[in-house]
Amino acid sequence: AQKVTQAQTEISVVEKEDVTLDCVYETRDTTYYLFWYKQPPSGELVFLIRRNSFDEQNEISGRYSWNFQKSTSSFNFTITASQVVDSAVYFCALSEFAGNQFYFGTGTSLTVIP
Amino acid sequence: GAVVSQHPSWVICKSGTSVKIECRSLDFQATTMFWYRQFPKQSLMLMATSNEGSKATYEQGVEKDKFLINHASLTLSTLTVTSAHPEDSSFYICSARASGSGRPNEQFFGPGTRLTVL
Repeated sequence: AQKVTQAQTEISVVEKEDVTLDCVYETRDTTYYLFWYKQPPSGELVFLIRRNSFDEQNEISGRYSWNFQKSTSSFNFTITASQVVDSAVYFCALSEFAGNQFYFGTGTSLTVIP
Repeated sequence: GAVVSQHPSWVICKSGTSVKIECRSLDFQATTMFWYRQFPKQSLMLMATSNEGSKATYEQGVEKDKFLINHASLTLSTLTVTSAHPEDSSFYICSARASGSGRPNEQFFGPGTRLTVL
């Protein structure tokens, strides 16, 4: 069965600190996709990244970086030099290659304190 | 980029009334749309998968007679909450999967509809 675990329910950091959000997944599929979404207080999901299971290269986009490790079934997300605008709930999600459904983690609520 | 809209963005209704939420793909065709429900401080839970021209597929525990889904065209799916009760108050989010997309499993999410039942 597919499952996504975000063990960190809430995190608070002071502005300019780095923060890593953990994501661990379970799947029997050999081909799958992993996602990260940001959900600000408005509720709208903001797409951050999509990674397929064959691409284990780490990715960096500005202050955001992602570390995908199949050996540990983890897809962690790091925000460098955090800013107040980063405050939001972040969801990690898994999708099967041939399927439709997204399996969302329970989310991590990040608060960046000025 | 692909845009999905939802209408209304928020709605308040009396207990016992029905509420219709629309989900539209604005610049692409979507044979498949998905409806999620999110209670406060919780994750998104898939309610049903809506396929154009056919009956929706509901997840276990979701009452199909209470949450009516109609996907009448390639750009529109509707979710009707019938005889709404306070426990139906939630944030409803739709997503659309682009037809013939070169990127499998790419879904685009709508902005959500916040339903409050008094």
